[in-house]
Amino acid sequence: GENVEQHPSTLSVQEGDSAVIKCTYSDSASNYFPWYKQELGKRPQLIIDIRSNVGEKKDQRIAVTLNKTAKHFSLHITETQPEDSAVYFCAASATGDGGATNKLIFGTGTLLAVQP
Amino acid sequence: DSGVTQTPKHLITATGQRVTLRCSPRSGDLSVYWYQQSLDQGLQFLIQYYNGEERAKGNILERFSAQQFPDLHSELNLSSLELGDSALYFCASSVVADPSYEQYFGPGTRLTVT
Repeated sequence: GENVEQHPSTLSVQEGDSAVIKCTYSDSASNYFPWYKQELGKRPQLIIDIRSNVGEKKDQRIAVTLNKTAKHFSLHITETQPEDSAVYFCAASATGDGGATNKLIFGTGTLLAVQP
Repeated sequence: DSGVTQTPKHLITATGQRVTLRCSPRSGDLSVYWYQQSLDQGLQFLIQYYNGEERAKGNILERFSAQQFPDLHSELNLSSLELGDSALYFCASSVVADPSYEQYFGPGTRLTVT
């Protein structure tokens, strides 16, 4: 079935360094790729998303890249700060009749720890 | 605050019992999604309703059922509970039925089955 793999499961960086989280998806019809941030004990919140008609999107210190050929997408956080510490989830969905993934499939999450 | 509310916040019950979780979407949102989050499974999509009708199904067990009412609130019913059903249950809402639009998550209901 549809699957989204996410790596690494945990990531520890020093404050000010960059962090990269990678995901791969199985459904080639997937065309929407959001990233959610979940702080401890809180709800997941959308931080950035990308659609299949673009290869990169940036919003201040965060960016997402998409490689449709390889079916993978990545989250990049630059100049990390302690408040970036959280679990990050990638997800993928397909819309329209061409995709089996007519729902949002989440990766297993990455626990990011930013050390001051 | 996302505008999505869920009750109760916590629920402790015994194996074999039945519980109902409630979700009220953001004002104006017609779509409600249910997710199960456990430590080893991440966020698992269970089911989606749009304007009162079932729209998509994920890994929802037969012991689980849901519905969306005319006022658009939704309920997730879990029956014959097992220890493995212990998890955080989130609902999320969205304006449209298409999952490729932002989903706003509620605060979740933590279910503990003893």
